[in-house]
Amino acid sequence: SQKIEQNSEALNIQEGKTATLTCNYTNYSPAYLQWYRQDPGRGPVFLLLIRENEKEKRKERLKVTFDTTLKQSLFHITASQPADSATYLCALDIARGNNRLAFGKGNQVVVIP
Amino acid sequence: NAGVTQTPKFQVLKTGQSMTLQCAQDMNHEYMSWYRQDPGMGLRLIHYSVGAGITDQGEVPNGYNVSRSTTEDFPLRLLSAAPSQTSVYFCASRKGQGTQPQHFGDGTRLSIL
Repeated sequence: SQKIEQNSEALNIQEGKTATLTCNYTNYSPAYLQWYRQDPGRGPVFLLLIRENEKEKRKERLKVTFDTTLKQSLFHITASQPADSATYLCALDIARGNNRLAFGKGNQVVVIP
Repeated sequence: NAGVTQTPKFQVLKTGQSMTLQCAQDMNHEYMSWYRQDPGMGLRLIHYSVGAGITDQGEVPNGYNVSRSTTEDFPLRLLSAAPSQTSVYFCASRKGQGTQPQHFGDGTRLSIL
């Protein structure tokens, strides 16, 4: 069956350290993968997109990698701050480029001052 | 720009009642989608539209109807509410297909008693 897996346990991390989240998928061949941030009571907000032919993408303190062989994406927040505390969702393109995204359940990050 | 606006923000219904969740976007996006988010389940696609007059079913369409008479509006109708439809509903829009990010509203929190 098709699955997108993110760690269900919250990641507690000290301010200033790097937070690393994992998104694993099975039985999909996505052309791209997206990461979103969701704060309590709000809708998800787009952060980054990485295509299947890209190994790494960066935006300010965020870095995403995409390994189509391992079927895995890693999401890094460097020099984490308390304001980075949120839930982070990965989303896969499940129909090779049309309007169909499948979302993981999300992984909560708590940055401790 | 307001982005994606959802109304109401909260609603309580009795089993068997019907209602319409409103979604409007002011970004002239062709693609619009409805998701539901339940604890431990992640975001699941209910219905989507690739343009005015065109709609299609997503992953969990049963019990819901949609229509798209204008580019801006994409209402979601619950025909006969059931407790299983208690959830947080998110509307999203995107410009075109492919790698464009989804823009989400802040959700409608719906409880069915």
